[in-house]
Amino acid sequence: GAGVSQTPSNKVTEKGKYVELRCDPISGHTALYWYRQSLGQGPEFLIYFQGTGAADDSGLPNDRFFAVRPEGSVSTLKIQRTERGDSAVYLCASSHGQGYGYTFGSGTRLTVV
Amino acid sequence: AQSVTQLDSQVPVFEEAPVELRCNYSSSVSVYLFWYVQYPNQGLQLLLKYLSGSTLVESINGFEAEFNKSQTSFHLRKPSVHISDTAEYFCAVSDTSGSRLTFGEGTQLTVNP
Repeated sequence: GAGVSQTPSNKVTEKGKYVELRCDPISGHTALYWYRQSLGQGPEFLIYFQGTGAADDSGLPNDRFFAVRPEGSVSTLKIQRTERGDSAVYLCASSHGQGYGYTFGSGTRLTVV
Repeated sequence: AQSVTQLDSQVPVFEEAPVELRCNYSSSVSVYLFWYVQYPNQGLQLLLKYLSGSTLVESINGFEAEFNKSQTSFHLRKPSVHISDTAEYFCAVSDTSGSRLTFGEGTQLTVNP
């Protein structure tokens, strides 16, 4: 596609529920990244995929967070047992590779009530 | 590990005035440096980047930034701003593997008539 697509754009869920956030990167981009942006803050790194494998998942805050990219294209960020502190905008980005800079999607705004 | 400090959280200016948004970084290794812009209700867009070579880099809409290694800075400047430049600006740094970006907390630029 022309840009990075993220769905849904907004998600409201109850505390304790499970959510999945989807990212469709730019076709041909091998690198895919997830970031989280809390209100008034800069984006914080969560995880980086190179192809199908997670090359760096050191930013995931705890084991409730998990992400997959089974075919090296679309990625899903999964959050189990959501907490109110998980409320944020989740950003996905993709890149051709080293040094090219990222193209970000518009994000998914997650609200846990 | 890298860190980024954006020294001003808010910068109000009048239209056609010059502006400088300050960014300092910390890193023990060589870095790539980026400025991203986030317009209201939109995703992050790459404004400009420094990878190597000339320390002065320019964007297509009149912004420029200068990499100063001795001062570990990458300040963003524009000689004459427009109302349409009103947005949040984020400075970011990565190591030269380009695997993850570390963002500052952002500077809200507001251009008033």
